[in-house]
Amino acid sequence: DQQVKQNSPSLSVQEGRISILNCDYTNSMFDYFLWYKKYPAEGPTFLISISSIKDKNEDGRFTVFLNKSAKHLSLHIVPSQPGDSAVYFCAASARGFGNEKLTFGTGTRLTIIP
Amino acid sequence: DGGITQSPKYLFRKEGQNVTLSCEQNLNHDAMYWYRQDPGQGLRLIYYSQIVNDFQKGDIAEGYSVSREKKESFPLTVTSAQKNPTAFYLCASSIVGTGDYEQYFGPGTRLTVT
Repeated sequence: DQQVKQNSPSLSVQEGRISILNCDYTNSMFDYFLWYKKYPAEGPTFLISISSIKDKNEDGRFTVFLNKSAKHLSLHIVPSQPGDSAVYFCAASARGFGNEKLTFGTGTRLTIIP
Repeated sequence: DGGITQSPKYLFRKEGQNVTLSCEQNLNHDAMYWYRQDPGQGLRLIYYSQIVNDFQKGDIAEGYSVSREKKESFPLTVTSAQKNPTAFYLCASSIVGTGDYEQYFGPGTRLTVT
């Protein structure tokens, strides 16, 4: 049972444009969400997070939006740069319920076209 | 430099042999985690530990064992009972508590069993 879903395996975006990566979840106990970026044969690096008490969090070119009623979050990257080409994972945890474990989506491969 | 180290980067073993993957962190984190990544899949949790001398099974613990004798170290043994051991293994660590925080990942070990 996939509790965190990233339905787009890949996405191509022109350099300078906005990249929007989507993530859906089914477990209503999830209250903390993170986005990680991963290059091949390397460990994921943390990008940005959001707790369920917020609906938006921004850090430089990266913004995460959370729609709790739809159980949906999205990561916006603007403007997109060639170095953003990587696989992006959405992850969720039920921290308020004492559960530190992260549940990951299957990832979206983002390719920025120069 | 604070961080997580995993060694070796690449590991080759014959079927039927146990193999131990190393993970060390100097971030003074209480919690440590082991994940496995397979092609086209997200990261799946194998084992995690929130305190020395204690650990819990994750979603795919069968065929694996761990120990947590020191705060800095969380080795993972892939036993001969693991049916599909070839994968990319990632170790992570984090603080434990309230507030917004993320898991930090090591560079990973690619294990190939033939």
